[in-house]
Amino acid sequence: EIVLTQSPATLSLSPGERATLSCRASQSVSSYLAWYQQKAGRAPRLLIYDASNRASGIPARFSGSGSGTDFTLTISSLEPEDFAVYYCQQRSNWPLTFGGGTKVEIK
Amino acid sequence: QVQLQESGPGLVKPSQTLSLTCKVSGVSISSGGNFWTWIRQYPGKGLEWIGYIYYSGRTYYNPSLMGRPTISLDTSKNQFSLKLTSVTAADTAVYYCAKHWGVNWFDPWGQGTLVTVSS
Repeated sequence: EIVLTQSPATLSLSPGERATLSCRASQSVSSYLAWYQQKAGRAPRLLIYDASNRASGIPARFSGSGSGTDFTLTISSLEPEDFAVYYCQQRSNWPLTFGGGTKVEIK
Repeated sequence: QVQLQESGPGLVKPSQTLSLTCKVSGVSISSGGNFWTWIRQYPGKGLEWIGYIYYSGRTYYNPSLMGRPTISLDTSKNQFSLKLTSVTAADTAVYYCAKHWGVNWFDPWGQGTLVTVSS
């Protein structure tokens, strides 16, 4: 099974700052990686798929990059509603797996 | 607009079978090409994919669950279900149903339902 390791576990930032989240795969997943946002008490929401494509309705301040084993989610300027937990997920190999999450909290 | 809603008992005793249902609206679950999935989230927040069912009834499960899950379709009610046998406290989690979007991404998700395994 492919293990996804996210870092850091927690990111403390202020509104308006840039957030950079990392997801590293235990083996290559090509570009078959997605990012989800989860707010407290809610289900995850698809943000980015195939490493760099924004899902429908996702603001342009969210961007994804990477391929192979190293991926990055960037939030260019944090809005108050962006403070949440972010997960990566791979679809390269079965079983489908998720990373452990990065919490973006208000500093 | 596709919407999903989980339902089922919030408390299950150890060694018994967990049974959950996901009611789908906005699309027929028997529509060609659709995959339907169950995912769970542990209290420590980690996410685990449990398995999927294709509109044809074909299923695939996470091998880590050692043959315990069964997912089925009920096209007359436009819903699909999860049964997980021989549960232990380690199966305590929020259980989500979701629709596959694109190629094996998940969107949308249901709101989730907490299942606690305890005597």
